[in-house]
Amino acid sequence: DAGVIQSPRHEVTEMGQEVTLRCKPISGHDYLFWYRQTMMRGLELLIYFNNNVPIDDSGMPEDRFSAKMPNASFSTLKIQPSEPRDSAVYFCASRYRTAGGELFFGEGSRLTVL
Amino acid sequence: AQSVTQLGSHVSVSEGALVLLRCNYSSSVPPYLFWYVQYPNQGLQLLLKYTTGATLVKGINGFEAEFKKSETSFHLTKPSAHMSDAAEYFCAVSDSGGYQKVTFGIGTKLQVIP
Repeated sequence: DAGVIQSPRHEVTEMGQEVTLRCKPISGHDYLFWYRQTMMRGLELLIYFNNNVPIDDSGMPEDRFSAKMPNASFSTLKIQPSEPRDSAVYFCASRYRTAGGELFFGEGSRLTVL
Repeated sequence: AQSVTQLGSHVSVSEGALVLLRCNYSSSVPPYLFWYVQYPNQGLQLLLKYTTGATLVKGINGFEAEFKKSETSFHLTKPSAHMSDAAEYFCAVSDSGGYQKVTFGIGTKLQVIP
């Protein structure tokens, strides 16, 4: 299996622009998680899905952030409009429903908002 | 709500010395506990996990951790540090029931001095 695939790996954009990050989880995994990593706050859980349904989006910082999972093999995280404080590395991770199952992470999308 | 506290955002050890990375957790139900490692510009990888059973768990690359319920701790150790162990280490907790949301600590950067 190719693992969790994220795109783009790097994105540089200007404040106010829309940003869309994409994730393809490992086939057969039931859960998908979006995390944001910064130096100051570490790894923050933004939202997670179970069987394509959002379960908990309490970590989404503002209404500017939205996430969708239209099918089992694709998810997006959108920021509109983007701000410099959104600069971070965004990780997608997936896992099976197995109790205590391992999270498999993508390589991350590094976002820089100027 | 569950949470994880990692003591020491940076730890330095000499090559060949003991590695000890501290993690304390808070959970209202029996937890699942994890240690993940992150190498530069990569996603996180699972080192080891505790779900049930033996409280001393062994992971990859010679690491191990012991679940101590009375101390609410899950410290990570390795008897002899190697240069290749230099990375960032994350402790994580999830509930053993429900949707098993995974919450990470802020991370500890391990430096290994030759």
